Amino acid sequence: DQQVKQNSPSLSVQEGRISILNCDYTNSMFDYFLWYKKYPAEGPTFLISISSIKDKNEDGRFTVFLNKSAKHLSLHIVPSQPGDSAVYFCAASLTSGTYKYIFGTGTRLKVLA
Amino acid sequence: DAGITQSPRHKVTETGTPVTLRCHQTENHRYMYWYRQDPGHGLRLIHYSYGVKDTDKGEVSDGYSVSRSKTEDFLLTLESATSSQTSVYFCAISESPGYNYGYTFGSGTRLTVV
Repeated sequence: DQQVKQNSPSLSVQEGRISILNCDYTNSMFDYFLWYKKYPAEGPTFLISISSIKDKNEDGRFTVFLNKSAKHLSLHIVPSQPGDSAVYFCAASLTSGTYKYIFGTGTRLKVLA
Repeated sequence: DAGITQSPRHKVTETGTPVTLRCHQTENHRYMYWYRQDPGHGLRLIHYSYGVKDTDKGEVSDGYSVSRSKTEDFLLTLESATSSQTSVYFCAISESPGYNYGYTFGSGTRLTVV
């Protein structure tokens, strides 16, 4: 049972345009969400996060939007750059216990020059 | 990543043999995790530790055991490796389970069981 889903395994975008990566979750108890970026042969690196008390968080070219009623979050990258080409994972955590993160299956973004 | 080291980086082993992967951190973080990454499954939690000698199971713990005798080291052992355990294994550390903290991941260990 996949609690965090990324339904698009891949996405291609032209350089300079907006990239939108989507993530859906099923557990309404999740209250903190993160996005990670992963390059080949490297570990994932933290990109941006959002708490469930917010609906938007922005950091430079990266913005995460959270729609709690739809159990949906999205990552917007504007403008997209070739160096953004990577696999992006969304992750969600519960309020209780040790704050284990549940990861989605990832979306491979390719930014075309 | 600086402060967290996984060893070995690559390993090929035979079915039925025991294998131990090591995660070493220099950040003095309390929380350590082992994940595996597989196509179509993303990152799945195997085991985690919330202190020395304090460990618990994740979502895919069958066939794996862990030990943490020191803050800086978290070992993952496959008691009898199977082909289904061919994967890329990532260790992660976290200073706190609080909301403002994500994980810092190691560079991964690619394990092939033949």
